[in-house]
Amino acid sequence: GAVVSQHPSWVICKSGTSVKIECRSLDFQATTMFWYRQFPKQSLMLMATSNEGSKATYEQGVEKDKFLINHASLTLSTLTVTSAHPEDSSFYICSAPTRADEQYFGPGTRLTVT
Amino acid sequence: DAKTTQPPSMDCAEGRAANLPCNHSTISGNEYVYWYRQIHSQGPQYIIHGLKNNETNEMASLIITEDRKSSTLILPHATLRDTAVYYCIVRVGGGNQGGKLIFGQGTELSVKP
Repeated sequence: GAVVSQHPSWVICKSGTSVKIECRSLDFQATTMFWYRQFPKQSLMLMATSNEGSKATYEQGVEKDKFLINHASLTLSTLTVTSAHPEDSSFYICSAPTRADEQYFGPGTRLTVT
Repeated sequence: DAKTTQPPSMDCAEGRAANLPCNHSTISGNEYVYWYRQIHSQGPQYIIHGLKNNETNEMASLIITEDRKSSTLILPHATLRDTAVYYCIVRVGGGNQGGKLIFGQGTELSVKP
């Protein structure tokens, strides 16, 4: 199947700093990618839709100024958590749909804010 | 997108078939049923999807009732590595690239030796 990668796989940062997470579709192009977050023992929560060449669409309750999304090319979307705080510690996952409408997920990025 | 209801947990003996049910009584005519699973601390994995006909691939079979209000994912010979949370999602799809997936709570399947 198609492959989606994320980098880094885990990151520890200090409170108040910013962290950038990359999501790449390795063998297909994606005009749209999605970003999710997942807290322990909970389901995935959709944060935003990343659109190549245009602004991201954020789900209700997600702060767009805190979670900056840039979809710079057909294979790369980035999520920047700005001024991170301990409550932002979570598992961040991206996904991208193929033309056959099979959506593939990245392996996730574990963010810990100290 | 239509909402789905799944049992929170299920057990299955290794080597036996695992049948995971999903209710989606408000599904619309143009909505597909998708199944994903998530093994602990990994990204979700696509399993299968269908509109109204039963579907089978190398991983599983998907049985959709004639009225499309429910479906069952079948893992024919469950192994310990099939232990995961299984998500049933209903949404507009079938080549409509870009449709978002809204995850419910899923079913935690435990395959036991």
